[in-house]
Amino acid sequence: DAKTTQPTSMDCAEGRAANLPCNHSTISGNEYVYWYRQIHSQGPQYIIHGLKNNETNEMASLIITEDRKSSTLILPHATLRDTAVYYCIVPYYGGATNKLIFGTGTLLAVQP
Amino acid sequence: ETGVTQTPRHLVMGMTNKKSLKCEQHLGHNAMYWYKQSAKKPLELMFVYNFKEQTENNSVPSRFSPECPNSSHLFLHLHTLQPEDSALYLCASSAGTLGTLAGRQETQYFGPGTRLLVL
Repeated sequence: DAKTTQPTSMDCAEGRAANLPCNHSTISGNEYVYWYRQIHSQGPQYIIHGLKNNETNEMASLIITEDRKSSTLILPHATLRDTAVYYCIVPYYGGATNKLIFGTGTLLAVQP
Repeated sequence: ETGVTQTPRHLVMGMTNKKSLKCEQHLGHNAMYWYKQSAKKPLELMFVYNFKEQTENNSVPSRFSPECPNSSHLFLHLHTLQPEDSALYLCASSAGTLGTLAGRQETQYFGPGTRLLVL
């Protein structure tokens, strides 16, 4: 099972910031939070990841709360092409393999 | 472009056919993965290879047979599939799967997928 919970769907107006929340209340101190998105019928696309500090790249910003039990992915100026399912993932560590367990994610619909 | 390619992009096969899916990564990664995504369901991890060795088989039926001849190529051989095997099959790669705390190594990069229809 996925170690995160996300809202099923969200709407956002084009040009506005999209703020996607994620709860990961059982996260351990050394576990990262990853965000991916999947545009319809395409392969998932890596967006960003973080441990405890806020992170920003050309796609998005990741805000992680001080207690690390939740995070928010921010798309600063959403476009129609940002309509996708967004996955917040805390990998399973151990053995020879780190595993990404994809839940159902948040379907973000950017409205014109 | 993520540096991971998959062929074919679409495949229709009968239940008695044998076919293979191919994945190639141009990222110099050491780990490769197969995932299955059925309609309206989350991605399911099928197999993991690390330095050409299989490290994970997530209880996948034997009609799916993976092969990893080198760190850049991954195949999924299909034989006697069922209609319920129709799905999007995704390949991914990552730098390594050593269970480290270095976040970069766990980042997986996905190919575009093969849409499989079993009749």
